[in-house]
Amino acid sequence: GQNIDQPTEMTATEGAIVQINCTYQTSGFNGLFWYQQHAGEAPTFLSYNVLDGLEEKGRFSSFLSRSKGYSYLLLKELQMKDSASYLCAVRTLMDSNYQLIWGAGTKLIIKP
Amino acid sequence: ETGVTQTPRHLVMGMTNKKSLKCEQHLGHNAMYWYKQSAKKPLELMFVYNFKEQTENNSVPSRFSPECPNSSHLFLHLHTLQPEDSALYLCASSQDRGGGHEQFFGPGTRLTVL
Repeated sequence: GQNIDQPTEMTATEGAIVQINCTYQTSGFNGLFWYQQHAGEAPTFLSYNVLDGLEEKGRFSSFLSRSKGYSYLLLKELQMKDSASYLCAVRTLMDSNYQLIWGAGTKLIIKP
Repeated sequence: ETGVTQTPRHLVMGMTNKKSLKCEQHLGHNAMYWYKQSAKKPLELMFVYNFKEQTENNSVPSRFSPECPNSSHLFLHLHTLQPEDSALYLCASSQDRGGGHEQFFGPGTRLTVL
């Protein structure tokens, strides 16, 4: 079956660094997305990885290891506004059909 | 602002009511999606439209009925819902149904079924 696991909730301190992990077991892997969703708002796109390695975008970085079925989102210099849920989603390609498989999201709480 | 709007933002309805959710995207995209988001659960894809044609219906009960009159508008018609249908309903769009394109989401409609 297709499955994505990420922690339900994490807490971190303002100014610190936090790593949110995502592991997946899927067939036809074709890329991994990270989205941010503030409470009561739309999920917004953060990053996309299709090849192994680290993609850096400002304070946020995303890493992928396809052989391990593993990704993480790294947030540096945490700010209070980073309190949100972070959704991991894997795109699969099977029989010419793309599918997005979503994790349940990780709620990140930032404390002063 | 993501370029995708949804109305209403909040809706409370009884099990015998009929209501509709509306989604509009201003991005020139050709694919539109309806998702259901329940607390602590993954997003559940309900329907997909690509170039106004419905391409997916993920075993959604018939009390949910989608409509896509054009590439910019998507509706979800609701009738005789159950309390377990209470959730956040998200609309999204992407360039097309093919690969390589992220989805842009609307803010959602928070639905409560009494």
